[in-house]
Amino acid sequence: AQTVTQSQPEMSVQEAETVTLSCTYDTSESNYYLFWYKQPPSRQMILVIRQEAYKQQNATENRFSVNFQKAAKSFSLKISDSQLGDTAMYFCAFKRGTSGAGSYQLTFGKGTKLSVIP
Amino acid sequence: DAGVIQSPRHEVTEMGQEVTLRCKPISGHNSLFWYRQTMMRGLELLIYFNNNVPIDDSGMPEDRFSAKMPNASFSTLKIQPSEPRDSAVYFCASCYGRGNSPLHFGNGTRLTVT
Repeated sequence: AQTVTQSQPEMSVQEAETVTLSCTYDTSESNYYLFWYKQPPSRQMILVIRQEAYKQQNATENRFSVNFQKAAKSFSLKISDSQLGDTAMYFCAFKRGTSGAGSYQLTFGKGTKLSVIP
Repeated sequence: DAGVIQSPRHEVTEMGQEVTLRCKPISGHNSLFWYRQTMMRGLELLIYFNNNVPIDDSGMPEDRFSAKMPNASFSTLKIQPSEPRDSAVYFCASCYGRGNSPLHFGNGTRLTVT
């Protein structure tokens, strides 16, 4: 079974600064997908960024980028120029890339609560 | 597209009562998921439908929980009878196909059972 670990329950960052949220996972699969979701106080789960394991290039979406280290099974999220609206819970998630039983499963970490301070 | 629509947004009920949560997935999506979120256990998958057919319900905690998907545009999650430990936020999510297709979540239903 896959596990996803987010070792930082809470973090804070000054507005306009850069912050990195860590995520590690455990799997024996070689093909898989990784995601970061954001959950603001409004409660909705919003996709921030995704990465295919077979791609060496790190994904980037505007101010959000990832550092994907496949050998180390690490998938950290970097938020540049932090804004007040980035205040939220952030969840790392893993999904198998192969077909078959459980391939639809999205395994979530426990989340990191990020506070952006004015 | 309006996104995944869940109702009600909040539900407060007394122990022993029946609760029905509703979900309308995004049009064209053929996979639907029900998740439960609590502080203690995080996000847990309750049940997964593909093309309206339940594929995996191993996450449904007890026989008190049941879910249906009578057509591609509607699903329900029912708890009967409800208990205080069922208090949580229940999310519905949908996606198309497999692979890296991301889940699109609804706004969730916050259930409080007193």
